[in-house]
Amino acid sequence: AQRVTQPEKLLSVFKGAPVELKCNYSYSGSPELFWYVQYSRQRLQLLLRHISRESIKGFTADLNKGETSFHLKKPFAQEEDSAMYYCALSSQGGSEKLVFGKGTKLTVNP
Amino acid sequence: DTGVSQDPRHKITKRGQNVTFRCDPISEHNRLYWYRQTLGQGPEFLTYFQNEAQLEKSRLLSDRFSAERPKGSFSTLEIQRTEQGDSAMYLCASSLFLGVHYEQYFGPGTRLTVT
Repeated sequence: AQRVTQPEKLLSVFKGAPVELKCNYSYSGSPELFWYVQYSRQRLQLLLRHISRESIKGFTADLNKGETSFHLKKPFAQEEDSAMYYCALSSQGGSEKLVFGKGTKLTVNP
Repeated sequence: DTGVSQDPRHKITKRGQNVTFRCDPISEHNRLYWYRQTLGQGPEFLTYFQNEAQLEKSRLLSDRFSAERPKGSFSTLEIQRTEQGDSAMYLCASSLFLGVHYEQYFGPGTRLTVT
């Protein structure tokens, strides 16, 4: 079964501190992994996907197939990073439906 | 084109009533997805269309739920005989699929409250 686990419901850091949002997945095939973000009163939007290997807004995420993880990292958190973050996976080919984790609410304190 | 739109944004209904939601995808997108999100959970897949064909339905989608995309453009999701457990945010997303899959763009959602 496809499953995404985000162990932290809430994460609070101070501005300038490093931040890591954890994501582990369970999938028998070769998944594609994503991080979606939802800022206050805004719609869900894609932050980054593992195949593009980009750094977006200073965030990076590396797919670790051995540990089945796709943790999101940023070396210096900013107040504007405060948001809800969802890790998601999809199968390659077929419906490409997204399977989401429960989300982590990140708060960056001044 | 301002992105995916959904109507209404909020709906309050009494248990047993029928409700219908509409989603207008980004115009050139051929795939359209419906998800449901309850409090404290991530979005859960309900169903998706490629053009006008409904290609997959989740087991979450009971017989009371029906979705259509008659002309391959907008889509409707109808819930018959609503129950309190149907209270949730219903999200629509669209994407372009040309053999290679591109990003899913989400709408603002329709929040359903069943009293």
